[in-house]
Amino acid sequence: DVKVTQSSRYLVKRTGEKVFLECVQDMDHENMFWYRQDPGLGLRLIYFSYDVKMKEKGDIPEGYSVSREKKERFSLILESASTNQTSMYLCASWGLAGEQYFGPGTRLTVT
Amino acid sequence: SQELEQSPQSLIVQEGKNLTINCTSSKTLYGLYWYKQKYGEGLIFLMMLQKGGEEKSHEKITAKLDEKKQQSSLHITASQPSHAGIYLCGADDAGTALIFGKGTTLSVSS
Repeated sequence: DVKVTQSSRYLVKRTGEKVFLECVQDMDHENMFWYRQDPGLGLRLIYFSYDVKMKEKGDIPEGYSVSREKKERFSLILESASTNQTSMYLCASWGLAGEQYFGPGTRLTVT
Repeated sequence: SQELEQSPQSLIVQEGKNLTINCTSSKTLYGLYWYKQKYGEGLIFLMMLQKGGEEKSHEKITAKLDEKKQQSSLHITASQPSHAGIYLCGADDAGTALIFGKGTTLSVSS
């Protein structure tokens, strides 16, 4: 079974804090993704990565950065958290057969 | 850019009834994915369709991709409370990532 895990299910942070969201997959997938999900807006792509140390901006990269030092791990960084970054964050990895598997999500609240 | 429209936005059905959810694309679909999400949780992969006219089934859920590859439907037969959740369709956006519809919320009343 493909497994995508995320470091936290729930997270509460204060405005201005630096926030790290970690994602690990165990299937040796090349491609990994970070989305955020908001009511009425659906899922939106923040960043993705095709390989180690490689990153590409998605549709809404502003206020975020990413790190991919190892193939299995893809981290999302909020340099200075703001209240408009309160959201559900979903990590995914993409297998060679085309299927995309998601982690359980991190519900982040910024106060 | 490609957009996916899902209909209906929400659906309430009685247990045992059949239902269909539709996903329509503004462009030809090269890969269409169906996911299910329980509230507050991650997405569970259901099925992937790639060929025009393709149909796949898993338990009581059947998904089809039309011949023109611009519309997909998800059909649930004899719905059960366990089918309740949010159903999302996703499309392969030129091999980079997936774009998603806004989802269909299904409630099943017993």
